[in-house]
Amino acid sequence: ETGVTQSPTHLIKTRGQQVTLRCSSQSGHNTVSWYQQALGQGPQFIFQYYREEENGRGNFPPRFSGLQFPNYSSELNVNALELDDSALYLCASRREVGDQETQYFGPGTRLLVL
Amino acid sequence: AQTVTQSQPEMSVQEAETVTLSCTYDTSENNYYLFWYKQPPSRQMILVIRQEAYKQQNATENRFSVNFQKAAKSFSLKISDSQLGDTAMYFCALYNTNAGKSTFGDGTTLTVKP
Repeated sequence: ETGVTQSPTHLIKTRGQQVTLRCSSQSGHNTVSWYQQALGQGPQFIFQYYREEENGRGNFPPRFSGLQFPNYSSELNVNALELDDSALYLCASRREVGDQETQYFGPGTRLLVL
Repeated sequence: AQTVTQSQPEMSVQEAETVTLSCTYDTSENNYYLFWYKQPPSRQMILVIRQEAYKQQNATENRFSVNFQKAAKSFSLKISDSQLGDTAMYFCALYNTNAGKSTFGDGTTLTVKP
């Protein structure tokens, strides 16, 4: 619907493991943001990437890191998983940082940490 | 720091009636955008309406309109002629252009009753 896809849709990991989540943005969208949404809460901003550089970050520790690639795909990596990392992870893309158009969200990846 | 507060965790409305969802925010920035997003039970976040902070005119999108009070830092959403398909969680969000940071409220669950 929005042209933004995420994989996998669901994932189960154990505490201490590492995970990589993937997002494919709309073509031409140079900005991608990642969010963590706990059950029953609003999305929490993790960070934003623009032209492959991080240019905005929320209150998340360094074990949350990302990459953005020239082909409009991106990754969210989380090291040393904790139980509280269980959440829906959303990515969203827009053309430019200050773009007047809105950001388009993917369907999310549901991560469960046991 | 920027914050977004939605004081109504749950609301309900009869089909065809009008409902207003409240949102207040706080930011020290002058350059920002405000959004209302809809997240149906399938969980894909969809833009409902956006407002540029520098524009005094309230945004309108078909049955959806906002009441933007910049001095009061208030941004409410009015849904007219409510439809069953409007049942969803609604999030108010603020995007800080300079910091590249988005902040969401905790959402209002709206139920439209037949």
